[in-house]
Amino acid sequence: DGGITQSPKYLFRKEGQNVTLSCEQNLNHDAMYWYRQDPGQGLRLIYYSQIVNDFQKGDIAEGYSVSREKKESFPLTVTSAQKNPTAFYLCASKLGQSFDEQYFGPGTRLTVT
Amino acid sequence: AQSVTQLDSQVPVFEEAPVELRCNYSSSVSVYLFWYVQYPNQGLQLLLKYLSGSTLVKGINGFEAEFNKSQTSFHLRKPSVHISDTAEYFCAVREFSGGYNKLIFGAGTRLAVHP
Repeated sequence: DGGITQSPKYLFRKEGQNVTLSCEQNLNHDAMYWYRQDPGQGLRLIYYSQIVNDFQKGDIAEGYSVSREKKESFPLTVTSAQKNPTAFYLCASKLGQSFDEQYFGPGTRLTVT
Repeated sequence: AQSVTQLDSQVPVFEEAPVELRCNYSSSVSVYLFWYVQYPNQGLQLLLKYLSGSTLVKGINGFEAEFNKSQTSFHLRKPSVHISDTAEYFCAVREFSGGYNKLIFGAGTRLAVHP
């Protein structure tokens, strides 16, 4: 069964700690994306990657970092420099540059206190 | 940069009534437009998309949307809603920037269907 998995579904951290959110896909998609969702603001793009070993900053990359060492994996690290990290984080993927539909994972809700 | 405006943050409606969720976009060039649905604490699922061709696009779960170039709108409609349609709906436009395609999302419209 193909799809995108994000783990864990809920994550709690203390302020000042870095935390890494997992995103794995077995759809054989080239492109992967990380979004942040806050109430009333829709989805905002954090980072995206079109191919392995390549990634680009999105609109709100400050305080976040990513890696793309494998095609199926695109982990997101929320660093202590992110001033307001509590949010719902969504990972997505699509087949490639010339394709349009993005497929979304179930999301991770991060709470930092 | 492109932008998407969803004119209503919340839309309450009774079961079996029709509903329209409004979306306007900013681009003046050819656009690719999308509607996604998000059920509570879940990811997004594609409802429908407009790439070219017929301006009336049919999607899953009985939804449809009409692309109106002169009004830069892409409103989502359903003639008769069910309780199970209660969710948040996002309109999005594809933007080509820096050599890459990205989706720009609206703020979302929360549809609440009441019995």
